[in-house]
Amino acid sequence: EAGVTQFPSHSVIEKGQTVTLRCDPISGHDNLYWYRRVMGKEIKFLLHFVKESKQDESGMPNNRFLAERTGGTYSTLKVQPAELEDSGVYFCASSQAGVYEQYFGPGTRLTVT
Amino acid sequence: QKEVEQNSGPLSVPEGAIASLNCTYSDRGSQSFFWYRQYSGKSPELIMSIYSNGDKEDGRFTAQLNKASQYVSLLIRDSQPSDSATYLCAVYNPSGAGSYQLTFGKGTKLSVIP
Repeated sequence: EAGVTQFPSHSVIEKGQTVTLRCDPISGHDNLYWYRRVMGKEIKFLLHFVKESKQDESGMPNNRFLAERTGGTYSTLKVQPAELEDSGVYFCASSQAGVYEQYFGPGTRLTVT
Repeated sequence: QKEVEQNSGPLSVPEGAIASLNCTYSDRGSQSFFWYRQYSGKSPELIMSIYSNGDKEDGRFTAQLNKASQYVSLLIRDSQPSDSATYLCAVYNPSGAGSYQLTFGKGTKLSVIP
């Protein structure tokens, strides 16, 4: 069974540009999560999808971040326009319906210069 | 604010010894507790989950939970150099929103010395 995959693995962009991160969850997992880890800090929750619906987006830092999960399969996280403080590692995780155990992808390292 | 605290380490143990990793959490409503192992540059890997007070064993790993003390630990028996990694404690606290968000500690770096 394939795990959670994320693309790209690394992205370097300039301040003010736009970046879109993609996550493909484990097949059949209804729950999809985005987390972020900035330098020296703990991994922090951004949002939670159940199928295509946003269950909880309380962790989204501001309206420069837009997450979508059309069709309830893969998800994208767009940052527009990017700021320096957006640099970090963005993780995606997924879990089965009704299950709290989450499986993480390898992350996308975003560097904003 | 929900917090999960871990000693950042590094925690160094000799090969074959027991490594003990500790985690405390602030929110008494927390229900589920997880340990993730993360090698440098890799994804967090779920290694243990525990939901009830007491011990849960899986191979060389034992998770211990004490909800009264708001404390969860991970013991690694017969530590191997391949166990050298950062261990993340994560806590699930149910919210009215039905979210399954996890709150993470910063992690403890474990080094097993051959």
